Amino acid sequence: EIVMTQSPATLSVSPGERATLSCRAGQSVSSNLAWYQQKPGQAPRLLIYGASTRATGIPARFSGSGSGTEFALTISTLQPEDFADYYCHQYYDYPRTFGQGTKVEIK
Amino acid sequence: QVQLVQSGAEVKKPGASVKVSCKASGYIFNNYGISWVRQAPGQGLEWMGWISTFNVNTNYAQKFQGRVAMTTDTSTSTAYMQLTSLTSDDTAVYYCARDWGPVDFWGQGTLVTVSS
Repeated sequence: EIVMTQSPATLSVSPGERATLSCRAGQSVSSNLAWYQQKPGQAPRLLIYGASTRATGIPARFSGSGSGTEFALTISTLQPEDFADYYCHQYYDYPRTFGQGTKVEIK
Repeated sequence: QVQLVQSGAEVKKPGASVKVSCKASGYIFNNYGISWVRQAPGQGLEWMGWISTFNVNTNYAQKFQGRVAMTTDTSTSTAYMQLTSLTSDDTAVYYCARDWGPVDFWGQGTLVTVSS
């Protein structure tokens, strides 16, 4: 199976600052990579698919980049509602796999 | 609007089985697959498997092979996930999600608690 590794595990950022989350795949997944945001008690929400395409209704401050094995999610100016857990997910091959998550917390 | 509505919370004893339902609305059910993902308390997301609503092909994570069964009822646009031989390690929130490669819309989650 394709192992997805996210870093860092926790990112402490002040509101208004920029946050960059990383995701590495154990083998190439081409651009078949999605990012999800999850808040406590809620289901995950799709942010980015195809490595860099924002899902419907997702603000422009969220951007995705990368291909192959190295990916990043950037939140350009953190808003209070952006403090949450973030997961990357490869859908290139079965079994589908998720990264272990990055928690973005208020500094 | 697209909605996936799951069945309610369950409490099961070790060794029992659970069947979670996921009723879809707001889109053509047969045009998208359904994936099932679970999340143990305080843990990350774990992909369990996928079912095609078109031809009922399935693909299960190795970890759940032999213990999980995913089915659909196209007449009611409902997907089901049954997990057998439950242990305390199966205590988790179980999600269904619409799958077309990425998963976009998610159900609200069903808490399954396994306790003696």
